[in-house]
Amino acid sequence: GENVEQHPSTLSVQEGDSAVIKCTYSDSASNYFPWYKQELGKGPQLIIDIRSNVGEKKDQRIAVTLNKTAKHFSLHITETQPEDSAVYFCAASTGGGADGLTFGKGTHLIIQP
Amino acid sequence: SAVISQKPSRDICQRGTSLTIQCQVDSQVTMMFWYRQQPGQSLTLIATANQGSEATYESGFVIDKFPISRPNLTFSTLTVSNMSPEDSSIYLCSAGGGRAHEQYFGPGTRLTVT
Repeated sequence: GENVEQHPSTLSVQEGDSAVIKCTYSDSASNYFPWYKQELGKGPQLIIDIRSNVGEKKDQRIAVTLNKTAKHFSLHITETQPEDSAVYFCAASTGGGADGLTFGKGTHLIIQP
Repeated sequence: SAVISQKPSRDICQRGTSLTIQCQVDSQVTMMFWYRQQPGQSLTLIATANQGSEATYESGFVIDKFPISRPNLTFSTLTVSNMSPEDSSIYLCSAGGGRAHEQYFGPGTRLTVT
């Protein structure tokens, strides 16, 4: 089955700096890669996703890049703010919308004021 | 995006008992999924629930332990049966499916088994 590795497990950045979280996946059939933000006591919130036919996607301060050859994808957050502090999960899915997600272990992002 | 609610939000149960968790979506969806998240850990897929058919379970999860119902396109339940302390976890449902692939999660049910 699919295996998703995520690094780093903890990332501390100064407010206003950029943060990058990286994930690799094992199954070359995976074609959908979402990122979730989870705050304490809440369910994961979908923040951005990318499909296998696209190399990069941006939404305001958040961007995701995908390298299918290398089987890795990354989340980039620019101009970080205190409210960006949370746990971020990457995930991968094969097939159509009928497939569940395989998650990475998560990254605890800490924004230092 | 879909808005998902879960009941109960948390519960404390005794070992050997069962708990049924409800998941309600504000719109009709093709697929619903159930995940488990140990505190401070990642999410693990338990099963996929398609309306009108049997749920599909992932390796390590069985129907006798985690029976699932999906009576219509907006509702699903997960039962945690014959609970033991090892079942203490957060149980999350998500809704998605179709060409969009997007999955949206409920707030989770925090279960503690004593």
